Amino acid sequence: NAGVMQNPRHLVRRRGQEARLRCSPMKGHSHVYWYRQLPEEGLKFMVYLQKENIIDESGMPKERFSAEFPKEGPSILRIQQVVRGDSAAYFCASSPGAGVGEQYFGPGTRLTVT
Amino acid sequence: SQQGEEDPQALSIQEGENATMNCSYKTSINNLQWYRQNSGRGLVHLILIRSNEREKHSGRLRVTLDTSKKSSSLLITASRAADTASYFCATDFLYNTDKLIFGTGTRLQVFP
Repeated sequence: NAGVMQNPRHLVRRRGQEARLRCSPMKGHSHVYWYRQLPEEGLKFMVYLQKENIIDESGMPKERFSAEFPKEGPSILRIQQVVRGDSAAYFCASSPGAGVGEQYFGPGTRLTVT
Repeated sequence: SQQGEEDPQALSIQEGENATMNCSYKTSINNLQWYRQNSGRGLVHLILIRSNEREKHSGRLRVTLDTSKKSSSLLITASRAADTASYFCATDFLYNTDKLIFGTGTRLQVFP
């Protein structure tokens, strides 16, 4: 039973480019969460999605960031016109349903903006 | 603001010793979880304790929860070098169970 998969594992972008991070939840999980981790800090919630719906995006920056979880395919976190401050590790987690407690985390995508 | 604050920020011990990490949080919760993160890697779920539980064990791990003090502790007994990692507590909110709020983490170093 494959766990949460994220790709790419490492991504380097120049300032102004776009970054696309992908997350495939565990089999049978329809709830996806994105978190960002700055160096030496804990994870900070960004967005919670179910298939085709954004449920809670209270942690998403208002500009340049967007997320989707289409009916088919992985969840995508998209960062437009990246800046150096976007450099971080981005983690995706999934769960089988709402309010079930444990979330299963992927290995993360480390984004470096040069 | 961060829901959880962990103490200590860093801890260094010898193999075989016990390691205790504490977590405090601010609001009412449904459950509290502890995760481990090895350097540069993803998070591994260790244990979940519900708000109506006071203590939980899993192998060498013991977690306590005091909802009156809004605090939890993680005890790792007979530590091993492989336990070297950062440990985070994570809570939900009583009325919003869908997102986890992570603490700042404790960096544990276990020397052989």
